[in-house]
Formats: sequence, structure tokens, C-alpha cells
Amino acid sequence: ILNVEQSPQSLHVQEGDSTNFTCSFPSSNFYALHWYRWETAKSPEALFVMTLNGDEKKKGRISATLNTKEGYSYLYIKGSQPEDSATYLCAFRDSSYKLIFGSGTRLLVRP
Amino acid sequence: SQTIHQWPATLVQPVGSPLSLECTVEGTSNPNLYWYRQAAGRGLQLLFYSIGIDQISSEVPQNLSASRPQDRQFILSSKKLLLSDSGFYLCAWRGEGANYGYTFGSGTRLTVV
Repeated sequence: ILNVEQSPQSLHVQEGDSTNFTCSFPSSNFYALHWYRWETAKSPEALFVMTLNGDEKKKGRISATLNTKEGYSYLYIKGSQPEDSATYLCAFRDSSYKLIFGSGTRLLVRP
Repeated sequence: SQTIHQWPATLVQPVGSPLSLECTVEGTSNPNLYWYRQAAGRGLQLLFYSIGIDQISSEVPQNLSASRPQDRQFILSSKKLLLSDSGFYLCAWRGEGANYGYTFGSGTRLTVV
């Protein structure tokens, strides 16, 4: 059974703080790692799809890195804003294109 | 462009009652479709996926079933709901191309009472 772990489970930061969280996944049979942003009462929104060891992706103030050899990915948010408050999900894509999700990191940014 | 519709948005059902949640996709043919559930305090768990009409794979043993009577329609059902079936249900469609990203529906909040 594939296990995808995310930490921390929740995070409270002040507006303007930078923050980061971790996604751990199996380092063998790696195909891709997906990051999603999920706001309450909305659909999860795709942030990044990462496929190569050493990949770094950036979208505005959000960036992510990937280490497939050791099985982890970091998501960084620079200068957090209240609108960044959401649950951030990572998902490991297996050989049959199914996504195995972690339990998410719930971020709350206080004004 | 491709869109995915899921309904209803919220549902409160008594224990023992039946369930039917529907998901439809527009703007694509022969999509790969998925049903996920988020139970309270837990992550998204894959319940079923389908690669074509009447082709359903179940990921976990449970009280639910899925059907795909048409190419772009995916239905999640139960004959008799249990309290443990409460949760947030998401339908998703898998895109093609290098990224194979998923697009999710807006979800159904199911509360079994």
C-alpha cells in the first residue's frame, strides 16, 4: 500500500511570514508528484506537477522542490497572505495514473 | 473546454437510505473518471475509478458501488447508507498529456444521520 505523508497537519502564520511544508512519498517506482490547493467549499486546484528529480516549480509566491531519490517534496509560500489560507494536498501518481493523496496541510494566515 | 459537474452539493440522509451521486464531464470523450472521499480529519481516499463505460475498479472494500452507464457519466451509489459513509465526495477527471493532472468537481458533502 502506497503511503503519502504530509506535515505539519496544520499551520497558523501571520500575514507576511514565509512558510513551507513537506510531502513524503515512496522513492521507488516514481512517476510524478502533484500539488493541489483546496479552499473550503471549492474544488481542489492544481498547483504543480513535478516529474524529475531536482525539479523546482514556481507560481507567483508559491514554489515547490522535488527529491525523488529520498522521496520528498517541499512547498514554499513567500510572504503569506490571508488568501493563501487553504489546505495544500500532495499526491503521488502511480504507474496506472492514479493519484494517491496525503492528508494535507491546513494553512491559516492571520491578517 | 472541458468541465465537470457534480451534484448535489450537500445531502443529509438517514441511516439505511439509498444514495445516488452523479458526475458528468463535458468537452472530452472516453475520460478516465475517479471518485474520492474525504472522511472527517482524513485525506482524500480513492474509492473507484473507471477507464470506460461499464469498466469500474474498486480501490477499497466498502458499502458503496459505482457505475458508468454512459461515456461521460459516473455514478456513486449505495443501497443502504451507514453512519461511516459520511464525508465529502469528489469526482475527478484525468487529463491527457504529459502532466495527466486531475480536474475535480465541486464535491458533495454527505451527512448520514
